[in-house]
Amino acid sequence: DTGVSQDPRHKITKRGQNVTFRCDPISEHNRLYWYRQTLGQGPEFLTYFQNEAQLEKSRLLSDRFSAERPKGSFSTLEIQRTEQGDSAMYLCASSLGQASPQAFFGQGTRLTVV
Amino acid sequence: QKEVEQNSGPLSVPEGAIASLNCTYSDRGSQSFFWYRQYSGKSPELIMSIYSNGDKEDGRFTAQLNKASQYVSLLIRDSQPSDSATYLCAVDTNTGNQFYFGTGTSLTVIP
Repeated sequence: DTGVSQDPRHKITKRGQNVTFRCDPISEHNRLYWYRQTLGQGPEFLTYFQNEAQLEKSRLLSDRFSAERPKGSFSTLEIQRTEQGDSAMYLCASSLGQASPQAFFGQGTRLTVV
Repeated sequence: QKEVEQNSGPLSVPEGAIASLNCTYSDRGSQSFFWYRQYSGKSPELIMSIYSNGDKEDGRFTAQLNKASQYVSLLIRDSQPSDSATYLCAVDTNTGNQFYFGTGTSLTVIP
């Protein structure tokens, strides 16, 4: 069993470009979370899936951000028209849910917008 | 008011000492509490979870929860230089839909 896997590990993009990140959760984990973390801060919640359903999305999340989990397995996070303020570590985590709520994180995708 | 608050530190302790990390939370209905360790440039790693009042021990780590005071702490006994990291407190909100994280406490263990 592998842990949570994220791809790519690093992404450098020019301002205005679109980027897409992928997350493969631990198998059989039905909950999947996306967080964003900047230097010196704790992870900030972006969105949450229960299987394929996106149940919650942060009010802080711009319309430029969208996430999918089409078959309840892997998830993608897309950022359109990137801005320098989007530079951060994007973290994915998964858990079994309320019966076993511990969340396990992937290695993250470091985004740099230049 | 932030949902989860931690002293940002930095906290420095000598090798072999006990490190004490503290966290308070605002949602009285919160059910699950977690401590994560994060090394610089790496992702958070789960080290402890606690769900009921009292102490939970795992090796050199002890988590303490007091729901009446909305307080959770982490004690690290016999601190080692390899424990030097940022420790994040996370709380599972009453809705169970997300974890709120504190800003983390930076710990340095001095050899």
